[in-house]
Amino acid sequence: NAGVTQTPKFQVLKTGQSMTLQCAQDMNHEYMSWYRQDPGMGLRLIHYSVGAGITDQGEVPNGYNVSRSTTEDFPLRLLSAAPSQTSVYFCASSYLAGAQPQHFGDGTRLSIL
Amino acid sequence: AQKVTQAQTEISVVEKEDVTLDCVYETRDTTYYLFWYKQPPSGELVFLIRRNSFDEQNEISGRYSWNFQKSTSSFNFTITASQVVDSAVYFCALIRSGYSTLTFGKGTMLLVSP
Repeated sequence: NAGVTQTPKFQVLKTGQSMTLQCAQDMNHEYMSWYRQDPGMGLRLIHYSVGAGITDQGEVPNGYNVSRSTTEDFPLRLLSAAPSQTSVYFCASSYLAGAQPQHFGDGTRLSIL
Repeated sequence: AQKVTQAQTEISVVEKEDVTLDCVYETRDTTYYLFWYKQPPSGELVFLIRRNSFDEQNEISGRYSWNFQKSTSSFNFTITASQVVDSAVYFCALIRSGYSTLTFGKGTMLLVSP
């Protein structure tokens, strides 16, 4: 059981480049989310999904795009990378809303030059 | 809107000392869940505990204990006889009943020196 898998683990981009951060879970979880972690800021919600075909914005959605075509996958797209998007990105999933603890991936460390 | 405040940015203790990490939250909901996560230097997020808003019973797990007080909107975490391996960033978080996303505090970095 792999849990939540994020790829890549590390990435360096140049300003203006686009890329997709991958997130996959094998637990048949309906709920998936993306957070970014910045020093002194905790984790902040970017986008989330409550099931295949359903996504919504979180606290800091600008510059990011998501889609949820399958239950298993929830990719995060950076459309035109900016230095302000340098961060550690975490994907999370859960089976039920609220009560269950979220399962987190190991994170993707992204640097934008 | 929900808010979680961890006022202690960084705490340094010497091994075997007891340490308490504070967490204060704000929500208008009557049903919600509170969590603590640990982030060791390796970077992953490790779930420690979940508490629902109707259960104010304190919990102890080994050297860890949690004190939940609705009257003060606090969910504090105490490590007894701290060890170097406890060095990490600790996050307190809240989730509303029926929702799937967490509101995190900014975290407290705990440094335990030998």
